[in-house]
Amino acid sequence: QLQLQESGPGLVKPSETLSLTCTVSGGSISSSSYYWGWIRQPPGKGLEWIGSIYYSGSTYYNPSLKSRVTISVDTSKNQFSLKLSSVTAADTAVYYCASYRQVVGAAFDYWGQGTLVTVSS
Amino acid sequence: EIVMTQSPATLSVSPGERATLSCRASQSVSSNLAWYQQKPGQAPRLLIYGASTRATGIPARFSGSGSGTEFTLTISSLQSEDFAVYYCQQYNNWPLFGGGTKVEIK
Repeated sequence: QLQLQESGPGLVKPSETLSLTCTVSGGSISSSSYYWGWIRQPPGKGLEWIGSIYYSGSTYYNPSLKSRVTISVDTSKNQFSLKLSSVTAADTAVYYCASYRQVVGAAFDYWGQGTLVTVSS
Repeated sequence: EIVMTQSPATLSVSPGERATLSCRASQSVSSNLAWYQQKPGQAPRLLIYGASTRATGIPARFSGSGSGTEFTLTISSLQSEDFAVYYCQQYNNWPLFGGGTKVEIK
């Protein structure tokens, strides 16, 4: 049973870079069976996929965020990370890390508990 | 660009009754459609993938149907723990969620 846990600052200043890490336990991030992703949810609103990564380093980004997003994987630490640059108040959200099985497609079956990131000076 | 539309925005149902939630895609997503349940303060939980396959541990009262552009999530007999927000999500290309349907107690 995979477990995912987000970590990172809860407060980021406007124009700075938001950085979060997801630690995976109960399985290997190097597994060929899984993709790893980030999804966010502004307070009181719906879900938005940010991007996904495969253990090989192949990345897939939401076109609306692509210019500001970098997702990377650290197989030695069983972690993957999110960087979102030039943040504004509109980036305030609960950020979730999640995973999906390659054979199924991007239906996210394991989720972290989420971490609230507030963009404010 | 695909648009995912869920209806109704809010559904008021009595416990034990049937709930039918709709999700429409602006263009065909084949059967690449998932449904999630989200309760306040919790992460979403995968209910259905491939439009109609229940995820591991999901009770049989949840069923999904449809393909192409029209999809339905049916909860056959609502239990108290089923009152929540439900999202559909297509993954035919990059993942995109619908706006959600809140199922509330009537």
